[in-house]
Amino acid sequence: EDQVTQSPEALRLQEGESSSLNCSYTVSGLRGLFWYRQDPGKGPEFLFTLYSAGEEKEKERLKATLTKKESFLHITAPKPEDSATYLCAVLYNFNKFYFGSGTKLNVKP
Amino acid sequence: KAGVTQTPRYLIKTRGQQVTLSCSPISGHRSVSWYQQTPGQGLQFLFEYFSETQRNKGNFPGRFSGRQFSNSRSEMNVSTLELGDSALYLCASTWDSPRSYEQYFGPGTRLTVT
Repeated sequence: EDQVTQSPEALRLQEGESSSLNCSYTVSGLRGLFWYRQDPGKGPEFLFTLYSAGEEKEKERLKATLTKKESFLHITAPKPEDSATYLCAVLYNFNKFYFGSGTKLNVKP
Repeated sequence: KAGVTQTPRYLIKTRGQQVTLSCSPISGHRSVSWYQQTPGQGLQFLFEYFSETQRNKGNFPGRFSGRQFSNSRSEMNVSTLELGDSALYLCASTWDSPRSYEQYFGPGTRLTVT
């Protein structure tokens, strides 16, 4: 069965403490993997798209990487304003999106 | 460029009623998708419309329906509301061209069914 799994479910970091979030997938015919940030009560905000294994994208303190089975969102020296839920989604087959359940990140000052 | 807009932002309905939610995509985007988000189930795909045609459908009962107009604006309707339909309903639009499939989300409509 096609599946997208995110880990950990929740992560608490001290400000400046770098870490990584994981998104593993078992879909067939992957056409793209997407990372989003969602703040409470708001719609997800697009961060990155990765299309092929080995691809990397960076934006400020965030860096996303992709292998054939998983993607990582690396957060370097996070700040309290990075606190949010991070969602990954896969696009597969004919325009089907499937979202993971998210990692809730809390960065303490 | 204006983002995805959704109206209304908040809605309170009673069990058994029906509701219509509206979504205006980013100008030029051709695909509109709808999602239901609840704390227990996360983001669940409802359906996708492209050029006024439903292209994909999730695993929701027939009480959930939608449509897309010629200007790409979309509406979704939920009939015979149940308490479990309380959720944040999100609309997302996509340009939908090679190497440009990312979805951009609206702020959502918070539906409460009492």
